[in-house]
Amino acid sequence: NAGVMQNPRHLVRRRGQEARLRCSPMKGHSHVYWYRQLPEEGLKFMVYLQKENIIDESGMPKERFSAEFPKEGPSILRIQQVVRGDSAAYFCASSLSGTGTTEAFFGQGTRLTVV
Amino acid sequence: GQNIDQPTEMTATEGAIVQINCTYQTSGFNGLFWYQQHAGEAPTFLSYNVLDGLEEKGRFSSFLSRSKGYSYLLLKELQMKDSASYLCAVRGGSARQLTFGSGTQLTVLP
Repeated sequence: NAGVMQNPRHLVRRRGQEARLRCSPMKGHSHVYWYRQLPEEGLKFMVYLQKENIIDESGMPKERFSAEFPKEGPSILRIQQVVRGDSAAYFCASSLSGTGTTEAFFGQGTRLTVV
Repeated sequence: GQNIDQPTEMTATEGAIVQINCTYQTSGFNGLFWYQQHAGEAPTFLSYNVLDGLEEKGRFSSFLSRSKGYSYLLLKELQMKDSASYLCAVRGGSARQLTFGSGTQLTVLP
C-alpha cells in the first residue's frame, strides 16, 4: 500500500511562470490537505479538499493559488505567476476521514524554488 | 483563532529523557497530535491525545491537559536518530485540518 505520493520532489521555476504540484493520496483516502512550510517554520494550512470539492480554503492566498481534487487523478495545487516568496516546501497529507482519531499521513513534499 | 507554542530548540544527551512542551489556545478542541520530522523529510505521526492523561507508546509518551491547554511529548532512552523537529498540532472544533506549532528542533548529543 503506497503512501502519499507527491511529485515532483523538487521544482524550479522562474518568476512569472506557473507551478503545478501533484498529490496522490493513500489508497482509500478521500480527504486531502495541502500545507506550506517555510524554512525554519512550522506547517501552515492552505486548503482541505474531498473528491471534487473544496471544503476549506481559508489558508490559501486569494490570488494566484488554486487547488483541485478531481474525481479521477491526483490533487493539484497550482500557483500562477510565481514570485520569490512562493519558494517553500509544499506538503500534501491525506486521511481516511476528516474527524476523530484519524491521523493524516504526509507525502515527501515538493520543494519549490523560484529563481 | 488558533495559537500553538512550543520551544524552538532543545538539546539532550544520548540515553537521557527529554520533555517537549506545547501550549495551545484554540476555538474548540478535537484532538492533539505529535509528529516527528527529520530534515528534508515528511512529518510522521507519533501520537494522538483527545482525553486528559498519558498515552504511552514504546519510548514515546504524550500527555494532555485540556483545562490547561497543555501537552508534552516525553522521549526516553534517547538515541541519536531521535534528532529531529517535533511538531505539536491541534485539530480545532469544527475544522478538519490540523494547526501546527512551529516545531521544536531536538538535538541529541553523544
